[in-house]
Amino acid sequence: AQSVSQHNHHVILSEAASLELGCNYSYGGTVNLFWYVQYPGQHLQLLLKYFSGDPLVKGIKGFEAEFIKSKFSFNLRKPSVQWSDTAEYFCAVNHPGNQFYFGTGTSLTVIP
Amino acid sequence: GAGVSQSPRYKVAKRGQDVALRCDPISGHVSLFWYQQALGQGPEFLTYFQNEAQLDKSGLPSDRFFAERPEGSVSTLKIQRTQQEDSAVYLCASSLATVQGADTQYFGPGTRLTVL
Repeated sequence: AQSVSQHNHHVILSEAASLELGCNYSYGGTVNLFWYVQYPGQHLQLLLKYFSGDPLVKGIKGFEAEFIKSKFSFNLRKPSVQWSDTAEYFCAVNHPGNQFYFGTGTSLTVIP
Repeated sequence: GAGVSQSPRYKVAKRGQDVALRCDPISGHVSLFWYQQALGQGPEFLTYFQNEAQLDKSGLPSDRFFAERPEGSVSTLKIQRTQQEDSAVYLCASSLATVQGADTQYFGPGTRLTVL
């Protein structure tokens, strides 16, 4: 079965620092890739997604992610984080028509 | 518009009790998913419906878990004879797409189940 690894479990950054969260998946082939975010007390919501085309995907709130097929990776980036980015971030992968696999999540704390 | 809603938000059950968790998807969404999220983990797939048809139940951990969506809208996840290892947050998500992953999944707030 597919597995998704998020290497950073807890990240603490100061405001204005740059962010990169790692995500790797185990099986190749055609994949759809997603980053979801869960702000404190809120539902999981989609940050961005990749289905095909340009491997650099831009999402909401200034986030972007780059799909590198050769590395089975879909890392999330933001050049300058804000206190309001404090949340849990989940990477997810699916092969079209099949179930989603989520990573274990990365908890991001941004210090004002 | 209204998002995905789930009830109850919290459920405490004694070991051996049966529980039923409800999900109201976004109106018009064809696909409905159930996930189990243990503490400190990401969501794990349980089952998938397209309208009233349960197309994938490969993630259900045992035959104590049963899900239905009889009219293609509201869904219920039932757990019989609950065990302590069933304690988790149960998430429901819905999507417009008829193919898994082809469109954004919208998640509900989850039901936190605690089995004593």
